[in-house]
Amino acid sequence: DVKVTQSSRYLVKRTGEKVFLECVQDMDHENMFWYRQDPGLGLRLIYFSYDVKMKEKGDIPEGYSVSREKKERFSLILESASTNQTSMYLCASSFSGNYGYTFGSGTRLTVV
Amino acid sequence: EDQVTQSPEALRLQEGESSSLNCSYTVSGLRGLFWYRQDPGKGPEFLFTLYSAGEEKEKERLKATLTKKESFLHITAPKPEDSATYLCAVPSGGYQKVTFGTGTKLQVIP
Repeated sequence: DVKVTQSSRYLVKRTGEKVFLECVQDMDHENMFWYRQDPGLGLRLIYFSYDVKMKEKGDIPEGYSVSREKKERFSLILESASTNQTSMYLCASSFSGNYGYTFGSGTRLTVV
Repeated sequence: EDQVTQSPEALRLQEGESSSLNCSYTVSGLRGLFWYRQDPGKGPEFLFTLYSAGEEKEKERLKATLTKKESFLHITAPKPEDSATYLCAVPSGGYQKVTFGTGTKLQVIP
């Protein structure tokens, strides 16, 4: 069964910590995405990558960075976590030219 | 600016009571419309892709239809296990990007 796997379902971090969220896909997809989802705001794109070592800013990149050293892995980095980054983080992937995404199960991050 | 609007925000149905969810969109040059189902605490799960007005897709009790301005997700004789948030999305905003609606939260009561 093909899938997108996010390393943690729940995380609790302290303000100011550096946080790494990992995502791995086994479908050989070119594109990978990081979204956050908040009540009333829906899904908002943070960053995406269309190839290894390539990245593009989404709608809300401030406070985040990403890394894609291998095709199957896309990491989201919170350089200095803040309470307003408490959210559900969703990773997704897709083939080039295909706008139907496969999502991971999500990471519920709480920053205290 | 491209927009995707879903209505209603929440819908409560009795088991067996059929209804429809709406997704209206304003994008230049539609390249498809996508429906997802999201269970609480999980990531969205892909349901359907529709590419042209008049197209229909079905899966169990769900049928998605598309016009030039909106899409409907019809739910026939729903069961409690159909309870979820249903999201629609359209390609928008650049290469490989999509714009999501905020979803309709469906609750089916036994």
